[in-house]
Amino acid sequence: QQQVKQSPQSLIVQKGGISIINCAYENTAFDYFPWYQQFPGKGPALLIAIRPDVSEKKEGRFTISFNKSAKQFSLHIMDSQPGDSATYFCAATNNNAGNMLTFGGGTRLMVKP
Amino acid sequence: DAMVIQNPRYQVTQFGKPVTLSCSQTLNHNVMYWYQQKSSQAPKLLFHYYDKDFNNEADTPDNFQSRRPNTSFCFLDIRSPGLGDAAMYLCATSRDLAGGGSYEQYFGPGTRLTVT
Repeated sequence: QQQVKQSPQSLIVQKGGISIINCAYENTAFDYFPWYQQFPGKGPALLIAIRPDVSEKKEGRFTISFNKSAKQFSLHIMDSQPGDSATYFCAATNNNAGNMLTFGGGTRLMVKP
Repeated sequence: DAMVIQNPRYQVTQFGKPVTLSCSQTLNHNVMYWYQQKSSQAPKLLFHYYDKDFNNEADTPDNFQSRRPNTSFCFLDIRSPGLGDAAMYLCATSRDLAGGGSYEQYFGPGTRLTVT
């Protein structure tokens, strides 16, 4: 019930391409869905987040698409750059869970020059 | 800049020798977390504090303890480290929703623990 499933585990994209990472959840009580970006040797940092009352949120080259009926959300990175190479984690939480995040398993993205 | 600071960044300890990792924050957040992250895995929550209230995850081994002497500082004590405890330990903070905060957690850079 608390799991968040993330795919793919790894992704290789050419510079300028679109990177797409998908997540699916089971708990319909989740009401906040962040994406974290983690570079090697660093802590995760919030990249972008969405609430289920909207179907899409865009910040620069990063877009979250949210499908409430399917219980799925995805991260799209447009015009992917080598500097985007990192591990990306989706997560979910709700008010009843306090601030506790349920993380997906992570996707290691490599953007080739 | 307000931030989450972890010391040391790298820690080597011997099998069975107690070790303490520290975290400090200048964000004045009332919630602090300790996560364990192993290679190629997501962070795993060990415990968290709401102010001084300690909350232990059910599957956190007794070998792991924590102290929060004040709002700014939090410590992770590993009483008898085993080889399986080698990992990155991440500290994070947030302001709880009742306090006008959000769900966002701010992570420190982590301490990489090696057990020899």
